Amino acid sequence: AQKITQTQPGMFVQEKEAVTLDCTYDTSDPSYGLFWYKQPSSGEMIFLIYQGSYDQQNATEGRYSLNFQKARKSANLVISASQLGDSAMYFCAMREGFTNAGGTSYGKLTFGQGTILTVHP
Amino acid sequence: SAVISQKPSRDICQRGTSLTIQCQVDSQVTMMFWYRQQPGQSLTLIATANQGSEATYESGFVIDKFPISRPNLTFSTLTVSNMSPEDSSIYLCSADGGPIYNEQFFGPGTRLTVL
Repeated sequence: AQKITQTQPGMFVQEKEAVTLDCTYDTSDPSYGLFWYKQPSSGEMIFLIYQGSYDQQNATEGRYSLNFQKARKSANLVISASQLGDSAMYFCAMREGFTNAGGTSYGKLTFGQGTILTVHP
Repeated sequence: SAVISQKPSRDICQRGTSLTIQCQVDSQVTMMFWYRQQPGQSLTLIATANQGSEATYESGFVIDKFPISRPNLTFSTLTVSNMSPEDSSIYLCSADGGPIYNEQFFGPGTRLTVL
């Protein structure tokens, strides 16, 4: 079974609009982390945002926010005020395993299939 | 955050040859990882490179095909052996970013084309 599911192969958004990229996950581990990465055409993987399973509040990083719904096992990425430079592949990922108070975790990272976001001017 | 570099950035190789990819981290890290990303696909973990011990390989990946070295806490190599066109992929090295966010930072990747 897929541990990370991204159901949107491609998404389009108008510049300056907000867009939500969907991600659902499957785990029985109570301790896990959820990540979003951006991969432009250059191929590099750019870390965007992180949400821990014990975090009470949704994570935010600038124009990125994570809509974390633990009971539904979803971790959707919201990009506000889209820019042309946001056009890229976006990956949701999960890391299961032990997470201590300092945040150190040793589980492996499992990626979803990705969503290609295209921002139109 | 950790800064990761990889060499080479890209290469075109002949079938049957081997290529060694180097990964350098600017700080000491416990865990380093090697991923493969085939064209149009997601990332798949090849193995976890452990300092001072054998690498831990994921299902479908074997040491004879992808030998890995981890001589110290800042460096690792991945060799793609006896290459075939199916090995054409981006190979990415990553490392734990530190004790707070659990994130993994990635190198820029190595684009490999096998003819």
